[in-house]
Amino acid sequence: AQTVTQSQPEMSVQEAETVTLSCTYDTSENNYYLFWYKQPPSRQMILVIRQEAYKQQNATENRFSVNFQKAAKSFSLKISDSQLGDTAMYFCAFVTNTGNQFYFGTGTSLTVIP
Amino acid sequence: ETGVTQTPRHLVMGMTNKKSLKCEQHLGHNAMYWYKQSAKKPLELMFVYSLEERVENNSVPSRFSPECPNSSHLFLHLHTLQPEDSALYLCASSQAWGFKSNEQFFGPGTRLTVL
Repeated sequence: AQTVTQSQPEMSVQEAETVTLSCTYDTSENNYYLFWYKQPPSRQMILVIRQEAYKQQNATENRFSVNFQKAAKSFSLKISDSQLGDTAMYFCAFVTNTGNQFYFGTGTSLTVIP
Repeated sequence: ETGVTQTPRHLVMGMTNKKSLKCEQHLGHNAMYWYKQSAKKPLELMFVYSLEERVENNSVPSRFSPECPNSSHLFLHLHTLQPEDSALYLCASSQAWGFKSNEQFFGPGTRLTVL
């Protein structure tokens, strides 16, 4: 079964601090993409960062970076220098190269505290 | 914005009503999706259209009926819904279907309340 687990339903962080959101997934496939999506309150879900499973180097996008541990099937998101605009639901997801369905976790609600 | 629009943004309907949700994408994508988002649950994929053909139908009750008249528009027709169908319904699009696209673009969603 293809599943995504986000074990932290809610998190908070002080502005300018660093926070890490955890994600584990389960798939028997060897090639897939992993994603973190951000859904701000009452706004559209947007892609934060993407990682290809065959790439060992962790993806980074400005203040956002991932820690991809393929053997452990772990894909955590680190947000550095947290800003108020980072307050949102964050969803971890993946799609495999043999399936065509995106699998999403239940989300982590992140609040950045001024 | 992501280039995917949805109307209406909010909808309240009774169990005997018939209504439709509309999605439009301005990105030239070939695949479009309907998801149901409920609190504390993963996004549930409902339907996928690729090149205007339905390619996925994840055991969705027949009271939900999708329609894709062209590659830019997607509808979800609703009929005799149940209160447990209350949720945020998200539309998404991608360049191609599934792995080949490697990114989906989401609309703002329609918040549906069934009384």
